[in-house]
Amino acid sequence: GENVEQHPSTLSVQEGDSAVIKCTYSDSASNYFPWYKQELGKGPQLIIDIRSNVGEKKDQRIAVTLNKTAKHFSLHITETQPEDSAVYFCAATKSARQLTFGSGTQLTVLP
Amino acid sequence: DVKVTQSSRYLVKRTGEKVFLECVQDMDHENMFWYRQDPGLGLRLIYFSYDVKMKEKGDIPEGYSVSREKKERFSLILESASTNQTSMYLCASSYYTGNTEAFFGQGTRLTVV
Repeated sequence: GENVEQHPSTLSVQEGDSAVIKCTYSDSASNYFPWYKQELGKGPQLIIDIRSNVGEKKDQRIAVTLNKTAKHFSLHITETQPEDSAVYFCAATKSARQLTFGSGTQLTVLP
Repeated sequence: DVKVTQSSRYLVKRTGEKVFLECVQDMDHENMFWYRQDPGLGLRLIYFSYDVKMKEKGDIPEGYSVSREKKERFSLILESASTNQTSMYLCASSYYTGNTEAFFGQGTRLTVV
């Protein structure tokens, strides 16, 4: 089955700086890579996703890049704000039924 | 506004009790999932269902069972709760085909004493 590794497990940045979270996956057949944000006391919520036919996708301050050859993808958050503080999960799948998640990154944005 | 609702935010149960965690979605999704969330381990899939009365094991099904009698409702059952099942449980739903967004409930924090 698919295995997703996520780094770092914790990340602290100053407000206004950029944050990068990296994930690797094992199954070359995986073709969908979503990122979820989990705020305290809430369930995870999709913030951005990328499919295997695209190398990069942006949505305002958030971007995701995908390197299929190396089997890794990354989340980039620019101009971080305190409300970006949360746990972020990457995931990979080749089927809507089997989403495999990384172990999560606790991002703290320091004022 | 789309919604996945879990019946309890917090539960405390005794070892050996039978425990039911309920989840309801209002989006007419075919797929429903139960995940377990533990620090440093991410979200691990316990069971999922792609249709009424259909279920498939995920990565960690031992000690759990599920029931889906209606499309909108998916229940997780701990037949005999143990302390190592103390965890956060998350329910999610999504459409049947294609790689689309999974919507999560707010989670149930279960403590087994």
